[in-house]
Amino acid sequence: AQTVTQSQPEMSVQEAETVTLSCTYDTSENNYYLFWYKQPPSRQMILVIRQEAYKQQNATENRFSVNFQKAAKSFSLKISDSQLGDTAMYFCAFMKASYDKVIFGPGTSLSVIP
Amino acid sequence: DADVTQTPRNRITKTGKRIMLECSQTKGHDRMYWYRQDPGLGLRLIYYSFDVKDINKGEISDGYSVSRQAQAKFSLSLESAIPNQTALYFCATSDVQGARNEQFFGPGTRLTVL
Repeated sequence: AQTVTQSQPEMSVQEAETVTLSCTYDTSENNYYLFWYKQPPSRQMILVIRQEAYKQQNATENRFSVNFQKAAKSFSLKISDSQLGDTAMYFCAFMKASYDKVIFGPGTSLSVIP
Repeated sequence: DADVTQTPRNRITKTGKRIMLECSQTKGHDRMYWYRQDPGLGLRLIYYSFDVKDINKGEISDGYSVSRQAQAKFSLSLESAIPNQTALYFCATSDVQGARNEQFFGPGTRLTVL
């Protein structure tokens, strides 16, 4: 069975600084997808970024980028130029390429400090 | 104009009561999911449905049942609510043909069982 681990329950960062959220996962699959979802205080779940395991290039979406290390089964999220609106829970998630169900990690609560 | 809606948004009930949470979507997706969110545990899958005739148990289905009334509607029932079912419940949809394999979430239902 697949598992997703986020070892940082809480983090904080100064506005305009850079922060990295960690995620590791366990799977025997070779093809899969990884995601980072954001949940602001409004509690709406929002997709931030996704990575396809067969692509070596790390995904980037504006200020958000990932460091995908397939051999290490690591998928960290880097947020550059942090903004107050980035304050949220961040969930790492895994999905097999067979489009099965999504497995979520326990989340990291990020606070951006003015 | 929300694509995935959930009713009610908040509900307080008593132990032993039957509760139904409803989810509707206008995205035209075949796949629908029910998750519960608890602090420190992330989102855990309760049930999922890949089409009207396909219902599958997730990792924590005990104490819950579901009904897929139509492609657009997926309801979650708690037959006899208990206090440890107090949680935030999310409905989600997905389209495997979508470019991002993204799950689209409703706004959540905050359920409190006294």
